Amino acid sequence: GEDVEQSLFLSVREGDSSVINCTYTDSSSTYLYWYKQEPGAGLQLLTYIFSNMDMKQDQRLTVLLNKKDKHLSLRIADTQTGDSAIYFCAETATYGQNFVFGPGTRLSVLP
Amino acid sequence: NAGVTQTPKFQVLKTGQSMTLQCAQDMNHNSMYWYRQDPGMGLRLIYYSASEGTTDKGEVPNGYNVSRLNKREFSLRLESAAPSQTSVYFCASSEDGYTFGSGTRLTVV
Repeated sequence: GEDVEQSLFLSVREGDSSVINCTYTDSSSTYLYWYKQEPGAGLQLLTYIFSNMDMKQDQRLTVLLNKKDKHLSLRIADTQTGDSAIYFCAETATYGQNFVFGPGTRLSVLP
Repeated sequence: NAGVTQTPKFQVLKTGQSMTLQCAQDMNHNSMYWYRQDPGMGLRLIYYSASEGTTDKGEVPNGYNVSRLNKREFSLRLESAAPSQTSVYFCASSEDGYTFGSGTRLTVV
């Protein structure tokens, strides 16, 4: 079946850039998503990218997709303490439906 | 406020007790989902409902039942709770993207 992998932990210093990586196995993945989960809360959609795109930028967030290697990354520029959260990568072949989630990367931002 | 509402937020059960987790959405979405979240394992799909009147098993359905009462509501029932069901449970609905509830933290002792 489909599988999505992420590193479980990442620590960065405030002001540095964070790069969270994700790999997936499903070659039919059409949409790839990044969700953010703050402590005690549900998941919030950060951004998504369609598989025919290589890059998407939204303010401090940059998503890079290497479809050949099935590798997705999320770069957060000028990381702030408020960015401390768990970040989930998810993929689907059908927009908005039947997601497969990675295990989540816990980002810790150090002062 | 539009969104997905889950109740209760916290619950402690004894082994063998039963309970129902409630979920309601007011966005007129067709699809609704129940996930459980365990450390290091991400979200695993328990059951989903593609539309009112239909339900299907996900990755980890054993020990759970669901009811899609109407388009708004999708409940998850534990008939005989076990310690392995200690987890955080999330309900979600989707039309063109997932919207999650804030979760139910369940402890089974």
